[in-house]
Amino acid sequence: EAGVTQFPSHSVIEKGQTVTLRCDPISGHDNLYWYRRVMGKEIKFLLHFVKESKQDESGMPNNRFLAERTGGTYSTLKVQPAELEDSGVYFCASSQLLVGEQYFGPGTRLTVT
Amino acid sequence: AQSVSQHNHHVILSEAASLELGCNYSYGGTVNLFWYVQYPGQHLQLLLKYFSGDPLVKGIKGFEAEFIKSKFSFNLRKPSVQWSDTAEYFCAVNAAAAGNKLTFGGGTRVLVKP
Repeated sequence: EAGVTQFPSHSVIEKGQTVTLRCDPISGHDNLYWYRRVMGKEIKFLLHFVKESKQDESGMPNNRFLAERTGGTYSTLKVQPAELEDSGVYFCASSQLLVGEQYFGPGTRLTVT
Repeated sequence: AQSVSQHNHHVILSEAASLELGCNYSYGGTVNLFWYVQYPGQHLQLLLKYFSGDPLVKGIKGFEAEFIKSKFSFNLRKPSVQWSDTAEYFCAVNAAAAGNKLTFGGGTRVLVKP
């Protein structure tokens, strides 16, 4: 069984540019989560999809972040325009059950210069 | 709101030493508790979890954790560490009443010297 995959693994962009991160969850997992770890801080929740619906987006920092999950399969997280403080590692996780183990992807390291 | 506190940011120990990592959480309701580990260059992976039942939970690679409800704690232990246990360890909680998102502690970097 393939695990959660994320693309790209690294992205370096300039302040003001746009970046789109992609997450492919484990097949059949309806629940998809995005998390972020800013350097030196804890991993923080961004949002949760159940299929294509946003179940909880309470962790999204501001309206420069837009997440989508069209068709309930893969998800994208777009940052537009990127700011320096957006740098960090963005993790995606998926789970089959609403209350269950979340399986994490390798993360995307985003650097905004 | 939930919060999780891990007591140590960095731990250095020698092979065969015992390891205990502290984790305390703050939440008034029923929670599920997790320890995740991230080995160098690898994904976050689950070490063990507690949902209900026996508060002493055994996980992979010889790790165990004990849930002490009265202390809001879920400490991770391993009696004898190996060099391969060098990693960053994360305690996390979630609660159905709070939407099942994971709330993580700050992580503990463990370095095991051969």
